[in-house]
Amino acid sequence: DVKVTQSSRYLVKRTGEKVFLECVQDMDHENMFWYRQDPGLGLRLIYFSYDVKMKEKGDIPEGYSVSREKKERFSLILESASTNQTSMYLCASSLSPGLGAISYEQYFGPGTRLTVT
Amino acid sequence: GQQVMQIPQYQHVQEGEDFTTYCNSSTTLSNIQWYKQRPGGHPVFLIQLVKSGEVKKQKRLTFQFGEAKKNSSLHITATQTTDVGTYFCAGATYSGTYKYIFGTGTRLKVLA
Repeated sequence: DVKVTQSSRYLVKRTGEKVFLECVQDMDHENMFWYRQDPGLGLRLIYFSYDVKMKEKGDIPEGYSVSREKKERFSLILESASTNQTSMYLCASSLSPGLGAISYEQYFGPGTRLTVT
Repeated sequence: GQQVMQIPQYQHVQEGEDFTTYCNSSTTLSNIQWYKQRPGGHPVFLIQLVKSGEVKKQKRLTFQFGEAKKNSSLHITATQTTDVGTYFCAGATYSGTYKYIFGTGTRLKVLA
C-alpha cells in the first residue's frame, strides 16, 4: 500500500513565524503535490514537483515556497505565516506517466490542519 | 484561468434515494478523476475517465465523461449511509505535465 505521511496533524503558529510542513511518500513516486483545502473552495493546488529539485507553481503559490531535495520528501514553507493561511494542507503523490500515457491517481496524506493566530 | 465547477455543493438524501453530482470544466480536459473524502479523512481515488463519452460502473456508482470532454457526472443508485462524504472531480489538462484542477466538491449526507 502506498503511504503518504505528513509531519503533523495539527499545528498552531503565530503570525510572522516561518512554518515548515513536511510530506514523505514511500512508493518512489515522481510527482508530489501540495494543496490547501478550504470550505466551499475545494482543493487548490499550491505547488507541485515532478522530479527532485524541480517545482512548478500551482494556482495559489503566493506566500508559499517548496523544497524537494530527495525524491520521497516534499516540503511546503510558509515564509511568514499570516492568518489567511489558516487552512487544511494536503500533500499527495503519484506516478509520472510515460510519454503519451494517461496520468495516474493521486495518493493523499492525512492532512495538516494549520491555525495561524 | 481554467475552472472546474461542481454542483450541487450540498445534497441531503434519504437512504435508498439516488444521488448525482455534476462537474463542468471551462476547457476541454485530457481526463477526469473522481475522489471521495469521508468526514475527517483525506481524498481517496475512485476512478479515472479518459475517453469521450466513456461510462464506467463500480457497483452502485456510475461515472460518465461527456462527449466534448468538458463535463462529467457521478451517479449513486440507492444510497447507503456508507456513501456519506464529499465527492470531488479533478479535471486534467496536459502541457508537458498533467495539471489537475479540483472541483469544489459535493457534500453528501444520507439520512437513515
